[in-house]
Amino acid sequence: GENVEQHPSTLSVQEGDSAVIKCTYSDSASNYFPWYKQELGKGPQLIIDIRSNVGEKKDQRIAVTLNKTAKHFSLHITETQPEDSAVYFCAATDGGGADGLTFGKGTHLIIQP
Amino acid sequence: KAGVTQTPRYLIKTRGQQVTLSCSPISGHRSVSWYQQTPGQGLQFLFEYFSETQRNKGNFPGRFSGRQFSNSRSEMNVSTLELGDSALYLCASSWGTGSYNEQFFGPGTRLTVL
Repeated sequence: GENVEQHPSTLSVQEGDSAVIKCTYSDSASNYFPWYKQELGKGPQLIIDIRSNVGEKKDQRIAVTLNKTAKHFSLHITETQPEDSAVYFCAATDGGGADGLTFGKGTHLIIQP
Repeated sequence: KAGVTQTPRYLIKTRGQQVTLSCSPISGHRSVSWYQQTPGQGLQFLFEYFSETQRNKGNFPGRFSGRQFSNSRSEMNVSTLELGDSALYLCASSWGTGSYNEQFFGPGTRLTVL
């Protein structure tokens, strides 16, 4: 089955700086890579996703890049704000659904004022 | 549009008991997936239901089961509870079956087994 590794587990950045979270996956058949943000006491919220036929996708301050050859994908947050503080999860799936989404262990992003 | 709702939000049970959790998907969504979230194992896929049929199942023992009703609402049941079943149980709904469909998560049910 799929295995997703996520780094770092904790990331502290100054407000206004950029944050980068990296994930690697093992199954070359994976073709859908969503990113979720989870705030305390809430369920994960989809913030951006990318499919394997695209190398990069951007939505305002958030961008995701995908390198299929190296089997890794990254989340980039620019001009970080206090409300960006949360736990971020990457996930991967081959779309067949047999294993559902396979998640990374999460990154706790802390925005320092 | 109302989001995914889960009831109850918190539950305390003792070992050996059984529990039923409920999930109401976003209106129009026909797929419901269940995940277990623990500090040690992270988010793990339990199963997916679509049109009242279980489509996929994760690597969990048979004590974990579920069902889906004609209105797409879903229930998850855990029998003979163990201490290790303490977790946040999340359900996610999507329009179609298959994990490549955008999934929307509910707030979860926090289960504590004593």
